[in-house]
Amino acid sequence: DGGITQSPKYLFRKEGQNVTLSCEQNLNHDAMYWYRQDPGQGLRLIYYSQIVNDFQKGDIAEGYSVSREKKESFPLTVTSAQKNPTAFYLCASSIVAGSSYEQYFGPGTRLTVT
Amino acid sequence: AQTVTQSQPEMSVQEAETVTLSCTYDTSESDYYLFWYKQPPSRQMILVIRQEAYKQQNATENRFSVNFQKAAKSFSLKISDSQLGDAAMYFCAYRRSNFGNEKLTFGTGTRLTIIP
Repeated sequence: DGGITQSPKYLFRKEGQNVTLSCEQNLNHDAMYWYRQDPGQGLRLIYYSQIVNDFQKGDIAEGYSVSREKKESFPLTVTSAQKNPTAFYLCASSIVAGSSYEQYFGPGTRLTVT
Repeated sequence: AQTVTQSQPEMSVQEAETVTLSCTYDTSESDYYLFWYKQPPSRQMILVIRQEAYKQQNATENRFSVNFQKAAKSFSLKISDSQLGDAAMYFCAYRRSNFGNEKLTFGTGTRLTIIP
């Protein structure tokens, strides 16, 4: 089955530690995205990547970093510089060209930092 | 900058009845896409329906339909014959153009409760 996997589903870290969230897709999509979801705020874009070895900052990139070494993978690192890292993180992907431009979402990772 | 506004934080509807969720957006673009996503308790985002701005005809997917008013920048979602499985957060989203990989801009969501 084609889709997006995010692991783990729940992640706990102590303040001051960097943590990397995994996102893998087997949909052969060129573009991948990371969103953050907080209560009452909808989804906000952190980073996105259109092709391998290229990525762009979204609206709330500070304190985060990404890499895109493979088409299938787009890991997100939450660094200790991120002031409020506890949130629900969603990864998505889409094709580059086509009629719908639908973004497909993974199941998400809930990160708790204490 | 584009903004999407959902003014109803919570809505409830009796099972089998019809409910309409509101969404307004602000843009200076003429070519864009609008989406409604559903997020059930599992938190997986699921696309419900999409509307291309250049199409005058309102999109329909089974029990889900939209009322797209381009001049008013309004994009409401109507759910007919509501079912218990429709209970979820619903997010309206905007995407600027048909080329490249423009980001989605989301509203803050409407929590829909289905009353048995």
